[in-house]
Amino acid sequence: GAVVSQHPSRVICKSGTSVKIECRSLDFQATTMFWYRQFPKKSLMLMATSNEGSKATYEQGVEKDKFLINHASLTLSTLTVTSAHPEDSSFYICSASGLAGTNNEQFFGPGTRLTVL
Amino acid sequence: RKEVEQDPGPFNVPEGATVAFNCTYSNSASQSFFWYRQDCRKEPKLLMSVYSSGNEDGRFTAQLNRASQYISLLIRDSKLSDSATYLCVVNNFNKFYFGSGTKLNVKP
Repeated sequence: GAVVSQHPSRVICKSGTSVKIECRSLDFQATTMFWYRQFPKKSLMLMATSNEGSKATYEQGVEKDKFLINHASLTLSTLTVTSAHPEDSSFYICSASGLAGTNNEQFFGPGTRLTVL
Repeated sequence: RKEVEQDPGPFNVPEGATVAFNCTYSNSASQSFFWYRQDCRKEPKLLMSVYSSGNEDGRFTAQLNRASQYISLLIRDSKLSDSATYLCVVNNFNKFYFGSGTKLNVKP
């Protein structure tokens, strides 16, 4: 299967700071990348869909000015949580699809655990 | 109505048991279907895609019933290491919808 990395794996920050999370597809070119968040014992909630070179499509209720997504290349997407607050603390997971020969499967990064104090 | 619905469980089964999960989806135009496995505090990992003809991978069998809009996962000869949350995922026009997951506990 394809490998997707995320960095950092864990971050603790003060309220009001911005945090950038990187998602990379290491061995394939991802036509689409997705950003999810997951609260404890809950399912993944899609935040936005990102295609290389175009603006991300945000799900209803997700503030695009708060969660900035940049998808500059076919192997890299970034999510910036701006002016983070404690309620933004969550597990953020990216995924990538577009590996040739697959059934549009998504491959997930290992996730980033954000804690905002 | 949710796009994808699953029984959250937990399913508590002894080692060696056979266990089955079902998942229903609301959009009849959904194109592709998957089962993912998620361990505690980890990312989901693809277990298998689900095809109309049904598919099997070792102890795991997945079935799709388009008429009734459900997919199933059967695990035979359960192992302790099968304990995890199993997520049903449905793809509608490149948008992926996740079920809330079914928790499986396999006990010695």
